[in-house]
Amino acid sequence: DAGVIQSPRHEVTEMGQEVTLRCKPISGHDYLFWYRQTMMRGLELLIYFNNNVPIDDSGMPEDRFSAKMPNASFSTLKIQPSEPRDSAVYFCASTLAGSSYNEQFFGPGTRLTVL
Amino acid sequence: QQQVKQSPQSLIVQKGGIPIINCAYENTAFDYFPWYQQFPGKGPALLIAIRPDVSEKKEGRFTISFNKSAKQFSLHIMDSQPGDSATYFCAAFRDNYGQNFVFGPGTRLSVLP
Repeated sequence: DAGVIQSPRHEVTEMGQEVTLRCKPISGHDYLFWYRQTMMRGLELLIYFNNNVPIDDSGMPEDRFSAKMPNASFSTLKIQPSEPRDSAVYFCASTLAGSSYNEQFFGPGTRLTVL
Repeated sequence: QQQVKQSPQSLIVQKGGIPIINCAYENTAFDYFPWYQQFPGKGPALLIAIRPDVSEKKEGRFTISFNKSAKQFSLHIMDSQPGDSATYFCAAFRDNYGQNFVFGPGTRLSVLP
C-alpha cells in the first residue's frame, strides 16, 4: 500500500484566497483525521471522520475551515478565506478501528504558507 | 482531564546517552499509551506503545516505563544515535467505540555525534 497520500505537498497562497488540501487514506481504513501542526501549538486535531461521517469537529478553529469526506477514499480540508495565521503543516491520518493500538498512519503533510 | 503533559520540551544528548521523556495524564479511563516519532519533513509514526497492565515494554533500544498509580509514563532511548534525532509525542488513547485520544505537545530530541 502506498500509505496515506496528501496533495499538494506545498502550497503558497495569498491572504483571502481559498485553499483546498486533499487526502487519500489507506484503503480499508474507516477513520480519517485532519491535524494541524505549528511550532507554537504543536499537533492539533481539527476533525475526524468515521465511515465518511464527521464525528468530532470541535478542533476546527473557525467557520473558515471546512472538511468533507465524500467517499471512503477521499477527503478535503478547505480554508476560505485563508489568513496568514493559517500557515502550518496539515496532516491527514487514517486508521482501522480495532487494529493494534488503533495505530494512526500519517501522510507526509501539506506545508501551507499564507502570505 | 483530556490533557497529556509532556516534558522536557527539548532535549540534547551526546551519542550513546539515554534521553528520557516524561508524560503525565489525568484521565484513568485511557487504555493504552503510544509514543509517536516524527522526523523533520515527515508525518508522525508509531514507535512503541504500552497498555496499563504492564509496567515496562522494550522494543530494541526503546523502552516505555509505566507507573499506573502515578499516572505517568516515560520513554527511554538506550545508546542513543544521531539518527534518533526527531520529535517524540506521547499519547493516551481509549480503546472503546470511537476515537478518544490525546497527543502530548512533543519533545524535540537532538543526539549529537
